[in-house]
Amino acid sequence: DQQVKQNSPSLSVQEGRISILNCDYTNSMFDYFLWYKKYPAEGPTFLISISSIKDKNEDGRFTVFLNKSAKHLSLHIVPSQPGDSAVYFCAASQLINTGNQFYFGTGTSLTVIP
Amino acid sequence: DAGVTQSPTHLIKTRGQQVTLRCSPKSGHDTVSWYQQALGQGPQFIFQYYEEEERQRGNFPDRFSGHQFPNYSSELNVNALLLGDSALYLCASSFNTYTEAFFGQGTRLTVV
Repeated sequence: DQQVKQNSPSLSVQEGRISILNCDYTNSMFDYFLWYKKYPAEGPTFLISISSIKDKNEDGRFTVFLNKSAKHLSLHIVPSQPGDSAVYFCAASQLINTGNQFYFGTGTSLTVIP
Repeated sequence: DAGVTQSPTHLIKTRGQQVTLRCSPKSGHDTVSWYQQALGQGPQFIFQYYEEEERQRGNFPDRFSGHQFPNYSSELNVNALLLGDSALYLCASSFNTYTEAFFGQGTRLTVV
């Protein structure tokens, strides 16, 4: 039962343009969402997060948008750079007092073309 | 400041054997989680340790067990290895259980 879905396995974008990566979730109890970037032979690197009490969080070139009614979040990268080429995972969690576990999507491979 | 470190980086085991993977969390972190990532999939949560106790567990059989030590480092043990256990095993640490997790580079386990 995949509770977090990334329906686009790959995305190609020209350098300097906007990259939009999408993620859908099914569990309405999720209240914390994150994006990770992964290069080959490395572990995932934390990129940006958002709490369910917000609908937008921005950090430099990276902005995450959350639409709770649609159970949808997206990551915008502006402007895209060749070094952004990696696999991007979205993750969701329900924070409870006994801990939390992250549910990951299957990833979207982003290629930024110079 | 060392990040999350895992050992070994690669491992080949025979079906039926047992394996132990190790993880040292990022400095200042007290929570360790383990994930299994199969090829082409996202990481799947195995379990989380905090204060030397298993706090959360994913949908993995009892063959998967773990331990957290007083210095917050952790081990993942897998008994009676199956071919399907071949995967990248990721350790992630965080400060308490509610913050974003930082991942190690993973241990690539191959079961033959």
